[in-house]
Amino acid sequence: NAGVTQTPKFRVLKTGQSMTLLCAQDMNHEYMYWYRQDPGMGLRLIHYSVGEGTTAKGEVPDGYNVSRLKKQNFLLGLESAAPSQTSVYFCASSLTGSNQPQHFGDGTRLSIL
Amino acid sequence: GNSVTQMEGPVTLSEEAFLTINCTYTATGYPSLFWYVQYPGEGLQLLLKATKADDKGSNKGFEATYRKETTSFHLEKGSVQVSDSAVYFCALSDLGSARQLTFGSGTQLTVLP
Repeated sequence: NAGVTQTPKFRVLKTGQSMTLLCAQDMNHEYMYWYRQDPGMGLRLIHYSVGEGTTAKGEVPDGYNVSRLKKQNFLLGLESAAPSQTSVYFCASSLTGSNQPQHFGDGTRLSIL
Repeated sequence: GNSVTQMEGPVTLSEEAFLTINCTYTATGYPSLFWYVQYPGEGLQLLLKATKADDKGSNKGFEATYRKETTSFHLEKGSVQVSDSAVYFCALSDLGSARQLTFGSGTQLTVLP
């Protein structure tokens, strides 16, 4: 059971470089989310999507863009990476029914030098 | 807005000790409440949930009761094991837009043999 798969698992970038993080889910979930996890701060929502072709801003969206061209994929882009974006990024997905839990990927550890 | 306040760690216990991790929340409506667990190098996994007042969620010997009067959802386990060592996150889900999760900052638990 693949569940939620994140690619890549690790990446080191230089300031100003761009990259895309890929999230894929095989559970036919409508909702998908991108979080960042920083020490002592729990997880904070970056962007989310309630269905194919839709995206919305979360708590900390600045410096990131997202796209949901296919239902199973949710891409997170950094156009010009900054050291403040050094973090662990988690993707999650869920069903639309009330009180459904979110299912998480194993994370992408990103370092910006 | 919504918020979750979680007992700060780290918490270190001996095997078979009793565990309590406190969690209180602030929410405008009637949220669902969750405990997630994160093992080293992995994503978050749902541990248990409760969707209305006085509900008790339970899983793997862990329990938490949704207390509306005290806005709390404390996690308990009667006898911890070394394998319970992980980071525990309390979270709430607003039944509003996309059921976004609001997380506490996490509590690191270490169980010593």
